[in-house]
Amino acid sequence: GAGVSQSPRYKVAKRGQDVALRCDPISGHVSLFWYQQALGQGPEFLTYFQNEAQLDKSGLPSDRFFAERPEGSVSTLKIQRTQQEDSAVYLCASSLDSYGYTFGSGTRLTVV
Amino acid sequence: AQKVTQAQTEISVVEKEDVTLDCVYETRDTTYYLFWYKQPPSGELVFLIRRNSFDEQNEISGRYSWNFQKSTSSFNFTITASQVVDSAVYFCALSEEGANNLFFGTGTRLTVIP
Repeated sequence: GAGVSQSPRYKVAKRGQDVALRCDPISGHVSLFWYQQALGQGPEFLTYFQNEAQLDKSGLPSDRFFAERPEGSVSTLKIQRTQQEDSAVYLCASSLDSYGYTFGSGTRLTVV
Repeated sequence: AQKVTQAQTEISVVEKEDVTLDCVYETRDTTYYLFWYKQPPSGELVFLIRRNSFDEQNEISGRYSWNFQKSTSSFNFTITASQVVDSAVYFCALSEEGANNLFFGTGTRLTVIP
């Protein structure tokens, strides 16, 4: 596609519920990144894929967070047993090389 | 450890004024990359510029210009003759050689008043 597509755009989850956030990167982009952006803050790195391989997951805040990219294209970020502190915008970015990352519009997750 | 500081939390200017957004960074690497992104209300991060640590030439793109000074570890961004459409949050970011991610500052919210 023309850009990075993320869905849903907004998600409200009850505390304890599991959620799945989807990212469709730009076709052909090898690298895919997930970032978490809390209100009033800059994005913070969560995890990085090169094709289907998850090469860096050092930013995932707890074992409740899990990401996958099974066919090297679409990626899903799953959060189990959501907590209020998980409320944030989750941004996905893809890159053909390390020159410029193209970001999606994000998924705004609100845990109530 | 890497760090990006954007000391200006919010700036308001009147349309057509010039405005400079400050960015100070810290890194132990000699090879690194600096970025500026714009985040309009729609939420996506729009890439503006990337500069590597070996290129200290200032850059101009239309009304935008960037001043990179390694001596002060700064990478400041100036908008000339600001317009209402420039209203957004602007992020400065750092990526170290071999790193897989960008490290962002906390952003500066720019409001251009008509």
